[in-house]
Amino acid sequence: EVQLVESGGGLVQPGGSLRLSCAASGFTFSTYEMNWVRQAPGKGLEWVSYISTSGATIHYADSVKGRFTISRDNAQNSLFLQMSSLRADDMAVYYCVRRGPRSVVEGFDIWGQGTMVTVSS
Amino acid sequence: EIVLTQSPATLSLSPGERATLSCRASQSVSTLLVWYQQKPGQAPRLLIYDASNRAPGIPARFSGSGSGTDFTLTISSLEPEDFAVYYCQHRYDWPLTFGGGTKVEIE
Repeated sequence: EVQLVESGGGLVQPGGSLRLSCAASGFTFSTYEMNWVRQAPGKGLEWVSYISTSGATIHYADSVKGRFTISRDNAQNSLFLQMSSLRADDMAVYYCVRRGPRSVVEGFDIWGQGTMVTVSS
Repeated sequence: EIVLTQSPATLSLSPGERATLSCRASQSVSTLLVWYQQKPGQAPRLLIYDASNRAPGIPARFSGSGSGTDFTLTISSLEPEDFAVYYCQHRYDWPLTFGGGTKVEIE
């Protein structure tokens, strides 16, 4: 079964740091581009970051640039999001998301169940 | 940054009715527009990519159309499981952005 499982969410104080992980299974992780997408409570979806298959190309939303770092370990089938200088408006469910294979399914075709990040003192 | 505006915010319909959802982009995104469905407590699900292509496993009652700045998601005859929130997203350039969503609720 194709699956993405996030972990690492929790309660953190403003200004603190947190590292999210995403374990991929059921597909050849190294051949898929990956993303993080977040959703604040009761709000819509916000794309956060993208990483290419090799990790050579990375993009961030302006709202997290300079504070968040995306990375991946293809040998461990894992995606990461290192978050620092966390603010109240970073509080959200964070989804690990697979980009579908190019020219086959051009969208986010597999989503994890999400991990909640709460920023509060 | 490309802004996607979805309308209406809420659509109140009955099962069996036709639903028409709109997504307007602040600049042309060609046909690089994607639609997702999200039910409460669940992750989003990919419905339509590149404006009009149904993702694998998506029923034929879902269809997408449009190009440039104006896009439409149509559900031809609403099933009980279709009542949910729908989001559009472009993949034209960086940053990727989503629309604010349209909630399809039971009238």
